[in-house]
Amino acid sequence: QKEVEQDPGPLSVPEGAIVSLNCTYSNSAFQYFMWYRQYSRKGPELLMYTYSSGNKEDGRFTAQVDKSSKYISLFIRDSQPSDSATYLCATVKAAGNKLTFGGGTRVLVKP
Amino acid sequence: GAVVSQHPSRVICKSGTSVKIECRSLDFQATTMFWYRQFPKQSLMLMATSNEGSKATYEQGVEKDKFLINHASLTLSTLTVTSAHPEDSSFYICSARRQGENYGYTFGSGTRLTVV
Repeated sequence: QKEVEQDPGPLSVPEGAIVSLNCTYSNSAFQYFMWYRQYSRKGPELLMYTYSSGNKEDGRFTAQVDKSSKYISLFIRDSQPSDSATYLCATVKAAGNKLTFGGGTRVLVKP
Repeated sequence: GAVVSQHPSRVICKSGTSVKIECRSLDFQATTMFWYRQFPKQSLMLMATSNEGSKATYEQGVEKDKFLINHASLTLSTLTVTSAHPEDSSFYICSARRQGENYGYTFGSGTRLTVV
């Protein structure tokens, strides 16, 4: 079993809809949680990060972490075609060094 | 913001030759850099962790003699694919971690290696 599980999609939504992405993880030692966006043939770009449980909002993006259920989410409001990309969740232990990635979810926002 | 420059973005080489990929942190010091490999429609696979001034730590199954990593300064790490073969063709991505930040991982734009 992978330490971080993520539905590969693809997830197709109409423009303007809310995109809902999520990951589950198995290791209680994970403390920091990140969401990256990756366009085709490019490196990942950090979108959001959260520490421990809680919510964080930045513009159209909201990240949520529920440590009791080991569940992390990313919501994209008012989705745009430019949001079409692969979204990767990642986590790291507080005292650790390596990122542990989910498998990534492909998102397609149709005009 | 933090910027990581990776060069070259694309390279085609002949089988049996070696290729060097550079990863530079432009506006911050990175004591730790990471090298990943990514296959189409798959997530990033960590190959090795490099620390400035010391030997890289390779993940299980990664050949250290084939993938040579050097982290000679706080802003530069290099990955050399030695005696490349077609099966080494892939997308290679580096990442640099900003000191003191557990979430401060910045990625390069990646290098697409094609071995013919």
